[in-house]
Amino acid sequence: SQQGEEDPQALSIQEGENATMNCSYKTSINNLQWYRQNSGRGLVHLILIRSNEREKHSGRLRVTLDTSKKSSSLLITASRAADTASYFCATGAYGQNFVFGPGTRLSVLP
Amino acid sequence: DTEVTQTPKHLVMGMTNKKSLKCEQHMGHRAMYWYKQKAKKPPELMFVYSYEKLSINESVPSRFSPECPNSSLLNLHLHALQPEDSALYLCASSQGRGRTNSPLHFGNGTRLTVT
Repeated sequence: SQQGEEDPQALSIQEGENATMNCSYKTSINNLQWYRQNSGRGLVHLILIRSNEREKHSGRLRVTLDTSKKSSSLLITASRAADTASYFCATGAYGQNFVFGPGTRLSVLP
Repeated sequence: DTEVTQTPKHLVMGMTNKKSLKCEQHMGHRAMYWYKQKAKKPPELMFVYSYEKLSINESVPSRFSPECPNSSLLNLHLHALQPEDSALYLCASSQGRGRTNSPLHFGNGTRLTVT
């Protein structure tokens, strides 16, 4: 299975702090994507990093990918209460459906 | 607001009822998906339509029946469901033929409760 697995399962931080979530996977991938889901809502695509990329930025988000370790991390800097959500990684390979990891539940306390 | 619209937002149905979930997108995407999500779990893929043809059925029970009337619409017909089918049902769309791992655009889902 190429399923991504997030770590930690739950994370609680204060506003203004940085939040780091990790994702590990088992097989070769073409890309890895991160999604956010607010409670009871649909998932929102945050960022896609391709297998030949090592780091990508989008606003306060920074994603790294280490294909040798089959792992990725999502860093949210200067967190806000509005960042409270579940975050999922999804690994993809061409010709295969990508599969979501179990997710990290982030709570940002004011 | 999302560009994928799902109706209804909430649905309560008995085990003998027949109901339908609807999904609409106008982004010109040619791949559309149904996912099922239980509480505190990731979405699980049910069906994929690519260019209005069913391309993937992830061994979903026949009490769930998908339909893609045109490139913008996706339905999920429900019949004789079980209480364990209660979940959030998410529709998504993406560019391309599916399985190319383009980003998914999700609707906000239908919260289904089977009594």
